[in-house]
Parts: sequence; structure tokens; C-alpha cells
Amino acid sequence: TQLLEQSPQFLSIQEGENLTVYCNSSSVFSSLQWYRQEPGEGPVLLVTVVTGGEVKKLKRLTFQFGDARKDSSLHITAAQPGDTGLYLCAGAGSNDYKLSFGAGTTVTVRA
Amino acid sequence: GAGVSQTPSNKVTEKGKYVELRCDPISGHTALYWYRQSLGQGPEFLIYFQGTGAADDSGLPNDRFFAVRPEGSVSTLKIQRTERGDSAVYLCASSLIGGPGTGELFFGEGSRLTVL
Repeated sequence: TQLLEQSPQFLSIQEGENLTVYCNSSSVFSSLQWYRQEPGEGPVLLVTVVTGGEVKKLKRLTFQFGDARKDSSLHITAAQPGDTGLYLCAGAGSNDYKLSFGAGTTVTVRA
Repeated sequence: GAGVSQTPSNKVTEKGKYVELRCDPISGHTALYWYRQSLGQGPEFLIYFQGTGAADDSGLPNDRFFAVRPEGSVSTLKIQRTERGDSAVYLCASSLIGGPGTGELFFGEGSRLTVL
């Protein structure tokens, strides 16, 4: 059972457009991570957020952790074809060593 | 090696057979995780090792699944009497300190298991 719900499931946009993907849960997480996965490869960590309300920027990617630490969003500005991939959010409880992943959002950026 | 290495990359087997999947983590990483990923889904936790011991095996679906890490480095996931529903990509990840809340998980490319 996935504790994290991601939306939308699929997103296809034109190069240069902006996009936002969401990660929601009824559970509180001590930290939340975003990964990107390309076909045939394992997920690669993009960012870890730990404080409610925290905003982190990684070049054209902006990550936000909700105040209540139950939800997060990833915003990509001026998307490029290289941003294509499966974006996964994953959360961990304070006494929990296992990451729980959402089902992911498949992003396709068309040139 | 520089990253997490998993073998085989692909395994096709028949229903009822025994399968072993191997993971070679990044040197010096004490924490090792096994996940399973089905098509269209995110990775599903199976088991977590801290050193040689299984600190959390709550994700193993049933007693056909077993994993070992005898020397605190290489780990083997063992599946007995495979079923078609076991078909998935099995991902291994390692972490320097353990505890995903603070550490980055480095994933291998996975072993794709197909049970006919």
C-alpha cells in the first residue's frame, strides 16, 4: 500500500513550459525525498526536505515541503527534454528506516 | 565499483523455480535496502540491512522470500518456488549511514525478473 499519492500520473508538455507535480499523504513524515528515474535505471536522488514549509531550489527545479510535513510539490521552470523521466517522492517517519515511495509521475517533455 | 552493482540484469525463469539476485553495494556503505518495482508503480520496500543483520524485513511478502548479507557487504535476495506475480524489477540501494531520513540512497540499475 502506497502511503504517498502522486498527481498527475502522467504529464506531457512542450519544451519551455512549466510544470508542477504533487505528492500528498495523510501521514506526517520526518523527511521527504524526490527522486528521478529513467528507463532501465535506478532512481537518483534530487533533493531531501526536512522542515515544514521548506523550499529548496536546484537550478530550474523548486521543491516545497508542506507546513504540516504531509505533502510536497516539485515545480520545473522552462522544462527541457532532459527533464523527461519518472519523478518519485518518498517519505520516512521519524523512527522508520524504510522509505515509502509514491507511484510516481511520468513526465515527458517534447522538443 | 563506483556504484551499486546488481546481477543478473535480467532473469527469466519458470514458475516454481528458485532464483537468487545479487547486490554489490558501494564500498563502505553500511546500510543496504531491497525494493521491488512493478510496472507503473513506485518501488516497494522489502528489507533493510544495517551491517550483517536484517534490521527490518517487514516488507518481505511471504516466507518464499529471504535475503542475506553475511559479511556486511554483498547481499543476496533469494526467492523460492517463484510465482508469476513475483515478476518485477528488484532494486538494491545502499546508504553510507543508514536511515533514509538523513541519508541518500544510491540505487543499482535493478534485476528484472520474469516468471513464465
